[in-house]
Amino acid sequence: DAMVIQNPRYQVTQFGKPVTLSCSQTLNHNVMYWYQQKSSQAPKLLFHYYDKDFNNEADTPDNFQSRRPNTSFCFLDIRSPGLGDAAMYLCATRPPGTQETQYFGPGTRLLVL
Amino acid sequence: GENVEQHPSTLSVQEGDSAVIKCTYSDSASNYFPWYKQELGKRPQLIIDIRSNVGEKKDQRIAVTLNKTAKHFSLHITETQPEDSAVYFCALLFSGGYNKLIFGAGTRLAVHP
Repeated sequence: DAMVIQNPRYQVTQFGKPVTLSCSQTLNHNVMYWYQQKSSQAPKLLFHYYDKDFNNEADTPDNFQSRRPNTSFCFLDIRSPGLGDAAMYLCATRPPGTQETQYFGPGTRLLVL
Repeated sequence: GENVEQHPSTLSVQEGDSAVIKCTYSDSASNYFPWYKQELGKRPQLIIDIRSNVGEKKDQRIAVTLNKTAKHFSLHITETQPEDSAVYFCALLFSGGYNKLIFGAGTRLAVHP
């Protein structure tokens, strides 16, 4: 099941200290997503890539940025984490098409002190 | 529009009973409907999905039904077991030009021995 890999699995950062979460995939899927999931809530889409085409959700804070240097890797940068950014961050991938399954990585749990 | 309503938010059943979770949606052009199971601290796992060209799909104790006319789909779990206890999310693939899943709010299922 190690087709979508996220590192680290747990990340502790300080308030305001930039942090980067990483995701890699061995599926060669051209669509990649970053979700934020807080306790007892559904995953909330932050942004996604279709190949190198970046799509930002309208309500994603400017504090969140993303990079996708190649098909396999995608990064989530949080420039100045606040206490409210503590959450599970899930990466997911999907091949193109309208009836294709999305696969989630194991997630990175971020704690902001 | 992009909206999926999921009911109930919590569901408690006795082991061996059936559980049904229902989702309604507004995007009539959607044609892919997955269900995810998420155990505490873990990633959402796809358990079953249905595409718009069928009305029902079954996999052992799990079944999903889809009514495109009425715009609702349901998850049915028969002979529930304690290990079925988790949060279940319905979703649909939004047809509006993006490749994104729209999630329901989730149902917390508790199966009591």
